[in-house]
Amino acid sequence: KAGVTQTPRYLIKTRGQQVTLSCSPISGHRSVSWYQQTPGQGLQFLFEYFSETQRNKGNFPGRFSGRQFSNSRSEMNVSTLELGDSALYLCASSLVGETGKFFGPGTRLTVL
Amino acid sequence: LAKTTQPISMDSYEGQEVNITCSHNNIATNDYITWYQQFPSQGPRFIIQGYKTKVTNEVASLFIPADRKSSTLSLPRVSLSDTAVYYCLVGDRQNTDKLIFGTGTRLQVFP
Repeated sequence: KAGVTQTPRYLIKTRGQQVTLSCSPISGHRSVSWYQQTPGQGLQFLFEYFSETQRNKGNFPGRFSGRQFSNSRSEMNVSTLELGDSALYLCASSLVGETGKFFGPGTRLTVL
Repeated sequence: LAKTTQPISMDSYEGQEVNITCSHNNIATNDYITWYQQFPSQGPRFIIQGYKTKVTNEVASLFIPADRKSSTLSLPRVSLSDTAVYYCLVGDRQNTDKLIFGTGTRLQVFP
């Protein structure tokens, strides 16, 4: 069974631009979560989707948004990029009711 | 979600058994304990999950005492490739919306 895939793996943007990251969960997994990881803040929860609905959201500004499609694939968008948005963005999928999440390799975003 | 406390770092040598303990004094009745491993620039990898007593898989063992206020991840005969950060998390299976990762334990395995 294929794992969680994320595209692109690496991305370089400049301040003020926007970016869209994509995540394809493991087949059959309907819950998709997004995390931001930085050296200073560690792993921080962004939001979680299930059945195309956002179930929970972390403490991030409104510039960070996401959505989930009917096939469970998910995208996250960051608008008006700031230097501090440079991070590894991780997507995780899981079965409903399971705390064991499976993470993708991440998208390394660099904002110049 | 219950807060967890782990040692910041640990050192070991190849072939040794490593035990990483996690404290979760406020664990709730419905909470499960889950451990993840993360290598640099990669996503965390699920290692093991348990509720009580002992759980073992092909990678590790998880020991949970009766009061469930702590848990110990045991890695048998570590190798250099086990050098990574290990995270302990506790959470309710019905409210898995957001996993709160702590700082984790950085394990360094030496030859």
